[in-house]
Amino acid sequence: DAGVIQSPRHEVTEMGQEVTLRCKPISGHDYLFWYRQTMMRGLELLIYFNNNVPIDDSGMPEDRFSAKMPNASFSTLKIQPSEPRDSAVYFCATLGPAGITGELFFGEGSRLTVL
Amino acid sequence: DAKTTQPNSMESNEEEPVHLPCNHSTISGTDYIHWYRQLPSQGPEYVIHGLTSNVNNRMASLAIAEDRKSSTLILHRATLRDAAVYYCILRPYTGRRALTFGSGTRLQVQP
Repeated sequence: DAGVIQSPRHEVTEMGQEVTLRCKPISGHDYLFWYRQTMMRGLELLIYFNNNVPIDDSGMPEDRFSAKMPNASFSTLKIQPSEPRDSAVYFCATLGPAGITGELFFGEGSRLTVL
Repeated sequence: DAKTTQPNSMESNEEEPVHLPCNHSTISGTDYIHWYRQLPSQGPEYVIHGLTSNVNNRMASLAIAEDRKSSTLILHRATLRDAAVYYCILRPYTGRRALTFGSGTRLQVQP
């Protein structure tokens, strides 16, 4: 398996523009997580899904952020409009049926810079 | 989630053992102890986990105190590639599947 695939790897955009980050989970993994990492706040959980259904979105910073998982093989994290403080590395991670003892597999991240 | 406390940073020499400590005095009986690490410019990766007994795998060993209020991740022979941030995370047996990351320990390995 190719692992968790995220795109784009790098994105530079201007304030006010819409940003869409994409994630392809490992096949058969029924949990998907979106994390954000900054120097100031470290790794923060934004939202996670189980069987394509959002379970906990309490980490989503505000209404400008939205996440969807239309099917088991694809998820998006959208920021509209983007602001400079959204600059961060966004990670997608997935968890398989092993459940509580299973490991999370992380993608390589999408580095977002908002000018 | 129960809290963990780790030193901010540690240094080691290449090919020497490294012991990374973690305190978790409020751990509950059903919390698993997980360790992840994050290499530079990469996503976190799983290292090891345990509940009560010491655990070994190809990457590391996990030593868990008898009262479970602390644990130690042991890298038997550090390499330059082991330079990373190491996170100690408690994960309850039931309920929430997400991991809550703290600030971790930044390990520097000197040649």
